[in-house]
Amino acid sequence: ILNVEQSPQSLHVQEGDSTNFTCSFPSSNFYALHWYRWETAKSPEALFVMTLNGDEKKKGRISATLNTKEGYSYLYIKGSQPEDSATYLCAPSAGTASKLTFGTGTRLQVTL
Amino acid sequence: ETGVTQTPRHLVMGMTNKKSLKCEQHLGHNAMYWYKQSAKKPLELMFVYSLEERVENNSVPSRFSPECPNSSHLFLHLHTLQPEDSALYLCASSQDLTGQGAYEQYFGPGTRLTVT
Repeated sequence: ILNVEQSPQSLHVQEGDSTNFTCSFPSSNFYALHWYRWETAKSPEALFVMTLNGDEKKKGRISATLNTKEGYSYLYIKGSQPEDSATYLCAPSAGTASKLTFGTGTRLQVTL
Repeated sequence: ETGVTQTPRHLVMGMTNKKSLKCEQHLGHNAMYWYKQSAKKPLELMFVYSLEERVENNSVPSRFSPECPNSSHLFLHLHTLQPEDSALYLCASSQDLTGQGAYEQYFGPGTRLTVT
């Protein structure tokens, strides 16, 4: 079982603020790192899947970086909007049968 | 809509009941998954099916029995559950060509299960 840690556990920002979260995971036997957004009453939605050290991915105002050597990934949100309010989950894959191990998530609340 | 549907959305069952959860994916994926989300715990993988074969059973008690009759359908058969099995059960699918988890997963809306 992988030890996946996400910080902070929760975050409350104002509209327009930029923010970032951290995901830490064991660097050994790494294959991929997933980020998902889970809005209340909806299904988790994939944001990014990254596999290479130094990977950077971007989707609109959201971007992510990956450091597989030290075992961490950052998720950045630029100019937060209320619709960004959700729980953000990271999940590394250790390569066994597509097995993802999820962290407990960072709960983001963006207010006007 | 993610292309993954689950029924029922809510289920209340007694400890002696037998029920089944159903998942269907309309995405042409070759892998399907069952996850459990308990209160204040991370999303936890239960089972993985790839090309209709079970490739992962994550130490799940035998009172949970999965079935994958074809690549589009996945069932979770439940019998003699315990109150601590009350949780949100999510199904997901992916097109995983390598078996290494490098492809995004698409989740269904989940079944909220309450065991009384």
